[in-house]
Amino acid sequence: DAGVIQSPRHEVTEMGQEVTLRCKPISGHNSLFWYRQTMMRGLELLIYFNNNVPIDDSGMPEDRFSAKMPNASFSTLKIQPSEPRDSAVYFCASSSSGVVQYFGPGTRLTVT
Amino acid sequence: TQLLEQSPQFLSIQEGENLTVYCNSSSVFSSLQWYRQEPGEGPVLLVTVVTGGEVKKLKRLTFQFGDARKDSSLHITAAQPGDTGLYLCAGVPNNAGNMLTFGGGTRLMVKP
Repeated sequence: DAGVIQSPRHEVTEMGQEVTLRCKPISGHNSLFWYRQTMMRGLELLIYFNNNVPIDDSGMPEDRFSAKMPNASFSTLKIQPSEPRDSAVYFCASSSSGVVQYFGPGTRLTVT
Repeated sequence: TQLLEQSPQFLSIQEGENLTVYCNSSSVFSSLQWYRQEPGEGPVLLVTVVTGGEVKKLKRLTFQFGDARKDSSLHITAAQPGDTGLYLCAGVPNNAGNMLTFGGGTRLMVKP
């Protein structure tokens, strides 16, 4: 199995631009999680999908952030407009058991 | 204040030394997990503990879940440079479904 796939691995953009991060979960997993990791705040859960349906988005920082999961094999996290404080590593994780999560390699986002 | 407090935050030791990392909370958890994260990668699950008082061993790593299921520890015997990384504990609070809460992490460096 290829594991969780994220793209791009690195993204550098200017403030105000739209950023789209992509995730392909492990085949057969029915839960998908988006996290953000910074030195200051550690690993924070942004949003969680179960069977393609958003279950909890209380961690999404503000309306500039949105996430979709149109099917079981693809999810996006969009930031529009981006701001320098959004700079972080964004992880996608998937799970079949509900508790054990398998993380992707992350997307390092830098907003200048 | 994080739901899961990890200590120490940073640890730098010489190869061959023993160390213990702690993960504490005032809340009860259905289960606790330990992950290791290396630079440029996502966290990788090491172990899950479920039963209060449970002890699990993974080669030189020993994991313990507190009797009251509020805390956990990770002990590494004869640390090696390959053990270097960020160690994260994560748990599912009682009645929280399958949403993991992560501790702030312990950054371990083992010098040869």
